[in-house]
Amino acid sequence: GAVVSQHPSRVICKSGTSVKIECRSLDFQATTMFWYRQFPKQSLMLMATSNEGSKATYEQGVEKDKFLINHASLTLSTLTVTSAHPEDSSFYICSAGTDLRTEAFFGQGTRLTVV
Amino acid sequence: AQKVTQAQTEISVVEKEDVTLDCVYETRDTTYYLFWYKQPPSGELVFLIRRNSFDEQNEISGRYSWNFQKSTSSFNFTITASQVVDSAVYFCALRVDAGNNRKLIWGLGTSLAVNP
Repeated sequence: GAVVSQHPSRVICKSGTSVKIECRSLDFQATTMFWYRQFPKQSLMLMATSNEGSKATYEQGVEKDKFLINHASLTLSTLTVTSAHPEDSSFYICSAGTDLRTEAFFGQGTRLTVV
Repeated sequence: AQKVTQAQTEISVVEKEDVTLDCVYETRDTTYYLFWYKQPPSGELVFLIRRNSFDEQNEISGRYSWNFQKSTSSFNFTITASQVVDSAVYFCALRVDAGNNRKLIWGLGTSLAVNP
């Protein structure tokens, strides 16, 4: 089946630094990628949707300048958390899809801890 | 407005018991998709099933079964003869097509603990 690889799985960074998370579709071309954030024991919160070659569409309340999303190719999207603060600590999950299937393929998630 | 409600926050059962996880959805669209996902402690989301609004047939996959009832806007998930490995958080989701994007509307999840 289709595989989505997310890297890194865990990262600890200092306040004020930036962290980049990668999401790759390994055996298919992902026209759309979704980035989610999940707090402990809570549901997934959609942060943004990105289509290859165009700007990401951010959900209300998500800061574009803080969470930079790049979807430069059909197999790679990146989320950069800029000037990270402890409150950015969370579990981030990406999802990749095609025109017909946009719900089945999730990355393993990245646990970000900002100290 | 679209919404997914999973009223059961936590369920605890003993191994081999059957357990049903409830999911109620709201949408005005006539075409929509419903999903169930499993999230074990590792965090990775596992896709279990997708059902479109025109297919009300119940589905069985091994110990898993799903009951889709449009009349009550429900898409319940039953695990038969539960096992410890079934312990996870289960999410129900509804897909809406918003322009060029397809977004999932997520329920809050049901945490299932299967005890030996």
